[in-house]
Amino acid sequence: DTGVSQDPRHKITKRGQNVTFRCDPISEHNRLYWYRQTLGQGPEFLTYFQNEAQLEKSRLLSDRFSAERPKGSFSTLEIQRTEQGDSAMYLCASRSGVSSYNEQFFGPGTRLTVL
Amino acid sequence: AQKVTQAQTEISVVEKEDVTLDCVYETRDTTYYLFWYKQPPSGELVFLIRRNSFDEQNEISGRYSWNFQKSTSSFNFTITASQVVDSAVYFCALSEAWNNNDMRFGAGTRLTVKP
Repeated sequence: DTGVSQDPRHKITKRGQNVTFRCDPISEHNRLYWYRQTLGQGPEFLTYFQNEAQLEKSRLLSDRFSAERPKGSFSTLEIQRTEQGDSAMYLCASRSGVSSYNEQFFGPGTRLTVL
Repeated sequence: AQKVTQAQTEISVVEKEDVTLDCVYETRDTTYYLFWYKQPPSGELVFLIRRNSFDEQNEISGRYSWNFQKSTSSFNFTITASQVVDSAVYFCALSEAWNNNDMRFGAGTRLTVKP
């Protein structure tokens, strides 16, 4: 499978715990995106990487959230001291940087439930 | 900032009926890109189409067709002879050329096709 993969697919955690999600983009894509999707809503942009550089962060990304892409390949999204409001689907997407309007390809998402 | 409105929250049709999903967008940019994605129950967003603002040609792909009208800021999606497998949530999205990494999604339209 050469698409975007995410791990884990589901995560249940207790309030206050830290969680980390992983995203492996399509191998030749240098741009990687994280989104959050809550029930009944479209995905909301969180942050974006070009290679290993984090170039943009949404105001939705509070101080408890941190994302990395250390070698310009896979990325991790960590949420510290989780809150019930963090329960959502976290989606990762990637695209080629060759053209300015290339579509983004999405992974299957990680569904987070905070109890 | 750009905005996408999908006024139809849910649509239910019987198999073989035609159905149109509406998308209205707002942007101040003269160059922008519009997208449609499908999200089946499995959760993964599937790219369907991209349309550039400078290309108002309508497009047909099998049973799918898209009607882009800049005059009304709309990018509607029609499924002809719907099938049960078309049941999903469909999202319209917009990115502006000056910041094409910030893709804004509508809230989605849940389409149910009954046999």
